[in-house]
Amino acid sequence: DSGVTQTPKHLITATGQRVTLRCSPRSGDLSVYWYQQSLDQGLQFLIQYYNGEERAKGNILERFSAQQFPDLHSELNLSSLELGDSALYFCASSAGATGGYTFGSGTRLTVV
Amino acid sequence: AQTVTQSQPEMSVQEAETVTLSCTYDTSESDYYLFWYKQPPSRQMILVIRQEAYKQQNATENRFSVNFQKAAKSFSLKISDSQLGDAAMYFCALNAGNMLTFGGGTRLMVKP
Repeated sequence: DSGVTQTPKHLITATGQRVTLRCSPRSGDLSVYWYQQSLDQGLQFLIQYYNGEERAKGNILERFSAQQFPDLHSELNLSSLELGDSALYFCASSAGATGGYTFGSGTRLTVV
Repeated sequence: AQTVTQSQPEMSVQEAETVTLSCTYDTSESDYYLFWYKQPPSRQMILVIRQEAYKQQNATENRFSVNFQKAAKSFSLKISDSQLGDAAMYFCALNAGNMLTFGGGTRLMVKP
């Protein structure tokens, strides 16, 4: 157990639908990062939150949004889903810039 | 902008032998950190080893060691006494400006 909790582990939904992925960071970590990994691809950075504030944005589609709540958990909202959104979505947390990130086990999203 | 490049999409090694995975990077930051992550078939992201850019000494973790060449912006991973459990995708990553950027990955196969 890495200490970063992601739910659900698997999600199957239809095109055009909206889903919410949830992440609880490791205890004490203020930063949360979301990454997307398509099949046999590298990890693409989506967005970062630090203590409730958006800190950085990557190649995140306008159909996607995220937020971090006062208890530091984060949610990634994906709407108007397309087949190409099928991927593994990782959440990671860190205490600061000096260390590596701790990853959750990911949410596998399948859009049918 | 920062980039990470892994030029070897696939590598193969005989069990008990040594293999080196290559990684080059680019950043304008003077303070940064480099990492190797392992992603086994379970898709979990596991931190293998980290290197602080300000340290000249190469990091070592048991059978895993790095060759960090700062001037050349090169960060290779050496796996000694390869084991079947080392078979996985390996990602090189750069943390600069509190942004973790990944390379495209190298798939390592271990032959018994």
